[in-house]
Amino acid sequence: SSELTQDPAVSVALGQTVRITCQGDRLRRFYASWYQQKPGQAPVLVIYGKNNRPSGIPDRFSGSNSGNTASLTITGAQAEDEADYYCNSRDSNGNHPLYVFGTGTKVTVL
Amino acid sequence: EVQVVESGGGLVQPGGSLRLSCAASGFTFSSYEMNWVRQAPGKGLEWVAYISSTGNTIYYADSVKGRFTISRDNAKNSLYLQMNSLRAEDTAVYYCARLLVTYYYMDVWGKGTTVTVSS
Repeated sequence: SSELTQDPAVSVALGQTVRITCQGDRLRRFYASWYQQKPGQAPVLVIYGKNNRPSGIPDRFSGSNSGNTASLTITGAQAEDEADYYCNSRDSNGNHPLYVFGTGTKVTVL
Repeated sequence: EVQVVESGGGLVQPGGSLRLSCAASGFTFSSYEMNWVRQAPGKGLEWVAYISSTGNTIYYADSVKGRFTISRDNAKNSLYLQMNSLRAEDTAVYYCARLLVTYYYMDVWGKGTTVTVSS
């Protein structure tokens, strides 16, 4: 299957840790990247590669990978982390579709 | 400042056409691969199309193949999406995004342009 599957929603208490997972066969070949999207705003890259954060992304965001599963962890979640999170990965040329987004996870900070 | 800015969205009737543009600035546009991504109202992100830095390699999602055409003009620092035979299900916010090929991620996104297909 070419899909990337995420849990639809998770909740986390303020200051606690939450892990979001993304599963798909293409993750055995290519790393996932992770995007945060708040209502009415464009997506923002938060994790890419093995576990890399763009400049400006807090270090409470981290990524990990194992087999066909990629994970995004927020350690010490803050109110501003409440958002939708999407994973994305490409596949080898000739495998279709070239890029796929995960189904998205809504993170609620309680 | 590194940025991309989409334009060209609007209201169009089913079966109609629209051309989206994405103006890049603050970086060497001709060195980067690009994607178009869309998001229907209340739905998740959907990859639409990819173009290599030279424009020689192009891929499409099945949902738009044969109807949409991605192109670029490196001399004008611009990316385009020609959308024909539009359907109600093409209604979405369309984003252009810069691709980094070290790990195939999209690091720069525009604010998007809204396309509404309705009679």
